[in-house]
Amino acid sequence: DAGVIQSPRHEVTEMGQEVTLRCKPISGHNSLFWYRQTMMRGLELLIYFNNNVPIDDSGMPEDRFSAKMPNASFSTLKIQPSEPRDSAVYFCASRPGQENSPLHFGNGTRLTVT
Amino acid sequence: DQQVKQNSPSLSVQEGRISILNCDYTNSMFDYFLWYKKYPAEGPTFLISISSIKDKNEDGRFTVFLNKSAKHLSLHIVPSQPGDSAVYFCAASARGGTSYGKLTFGQGTILTVHP
Repeated sequence: DAGVIQSPRHEVTEMGQEVTLRCKPISGHNSLFWYRQTMMRGLELLIYFNNNVPIDDSGMPEDRFSAKMPNASFSTLKIQPSEPRDSAVYFCASRPGQENSPLHFGNGTRLTVT
Repeated sequence: DQQVKQNSPSLSVQEGRISILNCDYTNSMFDYFLWYKKYPAEGPTFLISISSIKDKNEDGRFTVFLNKSAKHLSLHIVPSQPGDSAVYFCAASARGGTSYGKLTFGQGTILTVHP
C-alpha cells in the first residue's frame, strides 16, 4: 500500500503567484481531508470530501483558497494569489468510509511564499 | 476557539520510565478520540483511539484513558523508548451533522525520551 501521496514535497513561490498542491488518497478510501499546520494555529482542517463531494469547507481561510476532487484518486488545493501568510505545511489525509476510522496522512507539502 | 487543548508544549522523560501526555476538550459532542504521533518531515501517524463508551484502551506499550466527566484524556507510554521521541497530537471527532468525520486536533506535545 503506497499510502497517501502528496506533491510537491516543497514549494517556494513569490507572493501573487498561483500554487497548486496535489494529493492521491489511498485506494478505496471514501473521504479526503486537507489540513494546514502552522506554529500559531497547529493542525487546522481546511476542507473535506466524502465520495468526491465537498462536505465542509468552513475552514478554508479565504476565497483565494479552493479545492477540488474530480475523481476518487485525485484532489487539488489551489491558492490564487498566494501571500506570505499562507506559508505552512499542508497535509492531505484519507480514510475508509467507516465513521470512526483513523485518518491516514501524507507527508505534507511545505509551502513558502516570499 | 480551541476545542481540543494540550497544555504541555513539551515533556522530557528518561528511557524506561512512563510518559504521560494529557489532553482536554470542551465540546461535549465529541465521542471519539485519537492520538497521533509525528516525526519531523513526515505526516502524523495514527497511534491509538478510544470511543466514548470506554474509559480505557490498551495497545502494547500505549494506553489511552478517557474521563468523560472531566473532559480529559491521557496517553500513557510504558516503558518509554528513545524512538518514541516525537510530537504527539490528541484529536477528537463528533458523530453526525456537519461534524461527521471531522477531526479537531490539539496543538501537540513534543516528547523527548532520553537514553
